[in-house]
Amino acid sequence: DAGITQSPRHKVTETGTPVTLRCHQTENHRYMYWYRQDPGHGLRLIHYSYGVKDTDKGEVSDGYSVSRSKTEDFLLTLESATSSQTSVYFCAISEGTAVNYGYTFGSGTRLTVV
Amino acid sequence: DAKTTQPPSMDCAEGRAANLPCNHSTISGNEYVYWYRQIHSQGPQYIIHGLKNNETNEMASLIITEDRKSSTLILPHATLRDTAVYYCIVREQYNFNKFYFGSGTKLNVKP
Repeated sequence: DAGITQSPRHKVTETGTPVTLRCHQTENHRYMYWYRQDPGHGLRLIHYSYGVKDTDKGEVSDGYSVSRSKTEDFLLTLESATSSQTSVYFCAISEGTAVNYGYTFGSGTRLTVV
Repeated sequence: DAKTTQPPSMDCAEGRAANLPCNHSTISGNEYVYWYRQIHSQGPQYIIHGLKNNETNEMASLIITEDRKSSTLILPHATLRDTAVYYCIVREQYNFNKFYFGSGTKLNVKP
């Protein structure tokens, strides 16, 4: 989607290796989110950020860490990838938290841990 | 946890209206109903949202029952490109980390 890009789009990695996914936005939105999507589970929130250096955990945060050193970038790191972290990862941005602000999602990163 | 119930799948003929139901019987007074859709493997796309009044935009209409325990998303003239998974989400106002996606409804628009 315009204004939000995820990289890489696809990645295959080995169990036990560290992996970093990047979300980049050009909208200057304050709020950024990482979701994962798995069959039968819909989208589940991993971590979110409400400003530079301000982050918090979502419902499935174990095994993941995030960092936000600049407004435009939100990084998701798998410290030691496991096969259970094979998934499609979506980043989302939001201008605000009031109800009028919906989310804009990126195109996703397909991660396979072998 | 998702606070909505949707049928897993529905079919609709091209050119006809698609009516997608959603139950949210535990919705509280400050919670909004949002609809998103996800086409194939793309990121979810915002469609519409509402509190208690019916809403309409260029994509769809949202009908919310008077007791707010259920709602219906209406695509007035479905096309093949509307084939997607549609998510009904109940969102607490001002609580941005409470935006939970359920499993959604797979809408199949057929020629």
